[in-house]
Parts: sequence; structure tokens; C-alpha cells
Amino acid sequence: DTEVTQTPKHLVMGMTNKKSLKCEQHMGHRAMYWYKQKAKKPPELMFVYSYEKLSINESVPSRFSPECPNSSLLNLHLHALQPEDSALYLCASSQSENSNQPQHFGDGTRLSIL
Amino acid sequence: AQSVTQLDSHVSVSEGTPVLLRCNYSSSYSPSLFWYVQHPNKGLQLLLKYTSAATLVKGINGFEAEFKKSETSFHLTKPSAHMSDAAEYFCVVSDASGGSYIPTFGRGTSLIVHP
Repeated sequence: DTEVTQTPKHLVMGMTNKKSLKCEQHMGHRAMYWYKQKAKKPPELMFVYSYEKLSINESVPSRFSPECPNSSLLNLHLHALQPEDSALYLCASSQSENSNQPQHFGDGTRLSIL
Repeated sequence: AQSVTQLDSHVSVSEGTPVLLRCNYSSSYSPSLFWYVQHPNKGLQLLLKYTSAATLVKGINGFEAEFKKSETSFHLTKPSAHMSDAAEYFCVVSDASGGSYIPTFGRGTSLIVHP
């Protein structure tokens, strides 16, 4: 069982839809991350939240909009996505952005854009 | 700047034989190093970590890795492969360059285990 919970596990959406991915952790971690992973590739960092503030945005298109409502929750709002956005979206958390401790990953949301 | 190189994209072994997955890193600071495993349609699971303590690190499921600063290597080994070890493995380096510990992932090594 993973300590980082992501919902939904699978999502199919059209290019005009609006949907949200959710991530939750209760380990008291203060850094949370969104990654995009294509098949047979390593995860690519999208966003980092540190103490509920956006710390890093890796030049992600504005059709992806992150939100951190509190220290346990992280959302990724999706709008007007493209077929190339189909991927596994992983959420991770760590003690803090300035800690050398490892990240803990959820099982991801498999996103398919029609 | 930090970087990590996984030398093999695929490694194929027979069940019961040793496993060696190779990883070299580059870091201007004292790095932390990690190995993660990813089974199909799953997230990444931490196998083991090196954070400047003992250079020989033991992890879960019988895996271990040795930090060799002189060789800038952090190879992952296991004495005897099991079918359930078949998965994708990522070597990750993290240091304080840039002001925060944002990890850099290797390209991944796919471990294939034959019966």
C-alpha cells in the first residue's frame, strides 16, 4: 500500500473537457510534486509545492493548473488538453524541498486524451 | 549541476542468478542517491537510499548498493533474481545545487527475469 493516494486511477477525457487529478498524503510532508511519465521513460518534473506555495514550475503549459489547498492535498486541474498529454501522472511528497530524504510516490493517474 | 547515467537500458538474467544494474552519477556537492523500482502501472517504490552514512546500503527485497565516490558509481545488486523482480529500475541523484534537493532521474533500466 502506498502512503500517497491518487485519484482517479484512470481518466479518459476529450480535448474540451475540464477535469482534476487529486493527491493526498498524511505523512506530514511539506513538499509535494507532480510528474508526467510517458511509457518507458523516467518521470518528468512538472511542479513543486513547498509549504503550500508553488516553488517550481518547469515551463508547463497553462492547460495544466496546480493547486495546493492545504499541506496534505495537491490537485492538478486539466483543461483543453492535447493528445500528447496522454501519460501517467505521478504525485510525490517529501519531508521538504530542502531535505535529502527520498520522495514517496503515489500509483499515479493514467490519463488518456481522446 | 547533477546528472545520472544508467549504463544499460535492458538487463536480462535467469531466475536464481545475480543481478547487477549499473549507475554512475555526477554531482558538485555531497549527493544523496536512491534506487526506485516501478512495476507496470504502478508508482515508484523506494528500494534503498544513500545519504552520506554507510557506503554499503541494504534495501528491501534483498537488494543492496555500494556508494563508490572514487568511481562516482552506485550500482544495484542482488545475489539471486526472482521472477517478481522483473520491473523498471531508476537511479536518482539529489544534491543541494540550485538551492533545493530536486532529484534527477536516470533513464531507467528494464530488468527481465527468465524462468
